[in-house]
Amino acid sequence: LAKTTQPISMDSYEGQEVNITCSHNNIATNDYITWYQQFPSQGPRFIIQGYKTKVTNEVASLFIPADRKSSTLSLPRVSLSDTAVYYCLVGMNAGNNRKLIWGLGTSLAVNP
Amino acid sequence: NAGVTQTPKFQVLKTGQSMTLQCAQDMNHNSMYWYRQDPGMGLRLIYYSASEGTTDKGEVPNGYNVSRLNKREFSLRLESAAPSQTSVYFCASTSTGGQPLNTEAFFGQGTRLTVV
Repeated sequence: LAKTTQPISMDSYEGQEVNITCSHNNIATNDYITWYQQFPSQGPRFIIQGYKTKVTNEVASLFIPADRKSSTLSLPRVSLSDTAVYYCLVGMNAGNNRKLIWGLGTSLAVNP
Repeated sequence: NAGVTQTPKFQVLKTGQSMTLQCAQDMNHNSMYWYRQDPGMGLRLIYYSASEGTTDKGEVPNGYNVSRLNKREFSLRLESAAPSQTSVYFCASTSTGGQPLNTEAFFGQGTRLTVV
């Protein structure tokens, strides 16, 4: 099972770009990389998912190098409301979640 | 569009009591899951149901039972609650992913359970 390593915490300021890097050295060929966001007292919320290269949506961008052993979630111009825990997951969803391992995530604090 | 709805939001139980956590989704998803989240630990899978009529154990199933009542509903039962089951419980659902397609999971708001 692919495990991930990401920083425990990060600090930023409003308006800055935040990049959170996740390493997943033993990612398998069929594994996808998925990022979730969790606010206190809420369930995780899907942010973005990718397999290789770059993926962008209205919330974030996900950069995946060719070897896929790491990935970087990029949040442009963060605001106070982006303060949350961000989880990087690697695995296949394929109808069940048992192959996904949730780590502790990265606690992002956005300061005024 | 409610998504995934869990009830109750909060519950306090005495050791040995039983209770059922309810979960329902209105997205016509095939797969549903129960997780627990404890301080200092990531989400851990308790049970999952890949489709209506099937259930399987996850990482930490001991002390729990589940029922996939129909496609919409997936309940989690604690037959004899223990203090170690004090946690925040999340229900989630996904559409059938298939390979290599991957899908996002939708989570409920959580149930904060305290066993005293």
